[in-house]
Amino acid sequence: GAGVSQTPSNKVTEKGKYVELRCDPISGHTALYWYRQSLGQGPEFLIYFQGTGAADDSGLPNDRFFAVRPEGSVSTLKIQRTERGDSAVYLCASSLTWGRDTGELFFGEGSRLTVL
Amino acid sequence: GESVGLHLPTLSVQEGDNSIINCAYSNSASDYFIWYKQESGKGPQFIIDIRSNMDKRQGQRVTVLLNKTVKHLSLQIAATQPGDSAVYFCAEPISGYSTLTFGKGTMLLVSP
Repeated sequence: GAGVSQTPSNKVTEKGKYVELRCDPISGHTALYWYRQSLGQGPEFLIYFQGTGAADDSGLPNDRFFAVRPEGSVSTLKIQRTERGDSAVYLCASSLTWGRDTGELFFGEGSRLTVL
Repeated sequence: GESVGLHLPTLSVQEGDNSIINCAYSNSASDYFIWYKQESGKGPQFIIDIRSNMDKRQGQRVTVLLNKTVKHLSLQIAATQPGDSAVYFCAEPISGYSTLTFGKGTMLLVSP
């Protein structure tokens, strides 16, 4: 499809385990974003990539969270030693441009993470 | 009417009515605002945006109004349809325009 693709759509894991969530952005989009959304809340910014580099990672809650985008396309969000409080929907978005040109981000359907 | 649900403010309307969803912002220096719609089980979807040099912008069945004096934003949906049922978020740029921060959201429920 032509949209942002996220896998897995659902992930159930046990406390303390390691998790990887993958995002495949729209082809040609240089900007990629990760957000986290808890039930009844708006999306919360985690990290933003411009190309291969993390231009802003100020939203990552702690050092258990890490994200990469080695070739400037697919990105992986990595969570170590998962905790129950990490349970949320992790949303990925991409955009063709960034900054003042547009606030239109194209979101995937998210990866729902449940930590038991 | 409008009520506060367990997590989200909720607006319930009848099909065909006009809906108004409100958003307050705190930063008087904010100069760009965006409305997103999120249907159940999906990611947010861009609806319309407005810059601070405007006080009104119209799209297809939607109008965004900006009142900078009271730092208030509203989204008006004309002739609301069941397919409009979703959570609506206002958003604005942060961190030097690198990304967006989202408000808490309002759930719109449209009954036939």
